[in-house]
Amino acid sequence: GDSVTQMEGPVTLSEEAFLTINCTYTATGYPSLFWYVQYPGEGLQLLLKATKADDKGSNKGFEATYRKETTSFHLEKGSVQVSDSAVYFCALRPTGRRALTFGSGTRLQVQP
Amino acid sequence: DGGITQSPKYLFRKEGQNVTLSCEQNLNHDAMYWYRQDPGQGLRLIYYSQIVNDFQKGDIAEGYSVSREKKESFPLTVTSAQKNPTAFYLCASTQLGTSGGDEQFFGPGTRLTVL
Repeated sequence: GDSVTQMEGPVTLSEEAFLTINCTYTATGYPSLFWYVQYPGEGLQLLLKATKADDKGSNKGFEATYRKETTSFHLEKGSVQVSDSAVYFCALRPTGRRALTFGSGTRLQVQP
Repeated sequence: DGGITQSPKYLFRKEGQNVTLSCEQNLNHDAMYWYRQDPGQGLRLIYYSQIVNDFQKGDIAEGYSVSREKKESFPLTVTSAQKNPTAFYLCASTQLGTSGGDEQFFGPGTRLTVL
């Protein structure tokens, strides 16, 4: 079945460091890919998305590129801030299905 | 402001009781979803509905029930048959379209604790 695998956290970085959170997926067809962010005690917010191979999603300095050849959608940011501390979820929407399949989430802690 | 509201924010239940979690959206979205989140895990789909008076089981529907009598409302009942109901419950909605990138909007969640 469809699945998403994320790197385990927590990821601890100093402010202004470079961030990469790895995400790989298994799915048939051409899924859409998403990154969501969850701040403590809150619901999820869409961070960025990509709907086809080689698409790059970007928002608030975060980027991710849909790589079909490596079935990956890694999240990157060039310079993290303390306010980026949250849990990040990679997700996919399989072809022909409306609900999302989520990874287990990666907690990011940014220290001043 | 458009969005999704969930109530209550915190809910405590005694073993053997049924409880109902509320989810309302004013986004005029067609589809609504319920997910369960456990610590250190991703979200798992409980139920979803694409139109009024119709809903489908997700991956972990046992011990839960839903209704969709109105487009804007999708309440979830956690029954006594759910063996381990303590979790964070998230409701989401999306507007169905032809594009593959339909964004799901999430509510703030309800934290259910069984005493």
